[in-house]
Amino acid sequence: GAVVSQHPSWVICKSGTSVKIECRSLDFQATTMFWYRQFPKQSLMLMATSNEGSKATYEQGVEKDKFLINHASLTLSTLTVTSAHPEDSSFYICSARRGGTNTEAFFGQGTRLTVV
Amino acid sequence: AQKVTQAQTEISVVEKEDVTLDCVYETRDTTYYLFWYKQPPSGELVFLIRRNSFDEQNEISGRYSWNFQKSTSSFNFTITASQVVDSAVYFCALSGGSQGNLIFGKGTKLSVKP
Repeated sequence: GAVVSQHPSWVICKSGTSVKIECRSLDFQATTMFWYRQFPKQSLMLMATSNEGSKATYEQGVEKDKFLINHASLTLSTLTVTSAHPEDSSFYICSARRGGTNTEAFFGQGTRLTVV
Repeated sequence: AQKVTQAQTEISVVEKEDVTLDCVYETRDTTYYLFWYKQPPSGELVFLIRRNSFDEQNEISGRYSWNFQKSTSSFNFTITASQVVDSAVYFCALSGGSQGNLIFGKGTKLSVKP
């Protein structure tokens, strides 16, 4: 199957700092990437949809200014958690779709963010 | 509204037992896809299967099998002769979110004891 690489796998940062998470599709071009957040023992909740060359579409309740998403190329999307706080600690997972709607979504390995 | 329900929060079995994970979905779309993913403790999501709404044939892959019943909006997953390595959280998902994203159930944590 296709490969989506997410980096870093884990990160610990201090409150008030910003953290950037990268999501790369290694062997295909992804016009659409998705960012999910997963709290401990919870399901995956969609945060935003990232489209190459345009602004991301955020889900209701997700702060655009706090979770900055950039999809600069067909193989890279980044999520920046700005001015991180302990409540932002979570598992963040990206996924990329190779084709149109309903095609298989490939997931990155996830990033465990801990804000201290 | 689209929704995926996995009523079983946790299941514990002994190795070699068969186990079925339930998944019920709701959608108004006539064309949709259903997925199962495995999430081991390391966190990554491992793709298991994708099934489109027009294909109701059951599928078997090794010890895994899936039963798609459109009449009851269910897409159940059975592991035969479970093994300790099957211990993980299993998510059922439905395609068709407003952005083409997947809608996930809450997951079922499966523990297989030796």
